[in-house]
Amino acid sequence: AQSVAQPEDQVNVAEGNPLTVKCTYSVSGNPYLFWYVQYPNRGLQFLLKYITGDNLVKGSYGFEAEFNKSQTSFHLKKPSALVSDSALYFCAVRERRKGDMRFGAGTRLTVKP
Amino acid sequence: DVKVTQSSRYLVKRTGEKVFLECVQDMDHENMFWYRQDPGLGLRLIYFSYDVKMKEKGDIPEGYSVSREKKERFSLILESASTNQTSMYLCASSLGNRGGYEQYFGPGTRLTVT
Repeated sequence: AQSVAQPEDQVNVAEGNPLTVKCTYSVSGNPYLFWYVQYPNRGLQFLLKYITGDNLVKGSYGFEAEFNKSQTSFHLKKPSALVSDSALYFCAVRERRKGDMRFGAGTRLTVKP
Repeated sequence: DVKVTQSSRYLVKRTGEKVFLECVQDMDHENMFWYRQDPGLGLRLIYFSYDVKMKEKGDIPEGYSVSREKKERFSLILESASTNQTSMYLCASSLGNRGGYEQYFGPGTRLTVT
């Protein structure tokens, strides 16, 4: 069965500081991994994904994520946080050859000026 | 751009009513999904569909059914709404299963059952 854990409900950072939002997963075989962001009263927006190849994936709005197979992790990072990055972030995993994915519970990121 | 639309942003229904939530996508995607989103629980998969007239149960299908008569449209049906079905409902679509395709989401329907 596929599952995702986001160990932090809330992450607070100061503007200009680096940010990390953590994600670990459990899946049979090699995964597809995704990050989504949700702004208030909006649907989810796709940020980035890991399919294969380079473990460091770059995505929208300056975000990147690092796939670590041995630690079954896919942490989201950004070198310098903006106040506008404040939102709810979801990690998701999908087994290859399957169309459905599973989401984590979400991490609320707050960036303070 | 992919567009996924949902029939209502806000909906208020009474206990026992039959509720229909509609979702339409305009990118000829094979797969469509219904989730509910609750604080602290993230997104939970209710049902999904790989093709017209096909459906698969997700993790929480009880109390729900779905219909996919046309490729672009996927409906979620609450046969007899209950207060514990008060939630945000999100529809999504994606290309087929043989690639790392991401899902595209609609804006959501906030359903309140009183």
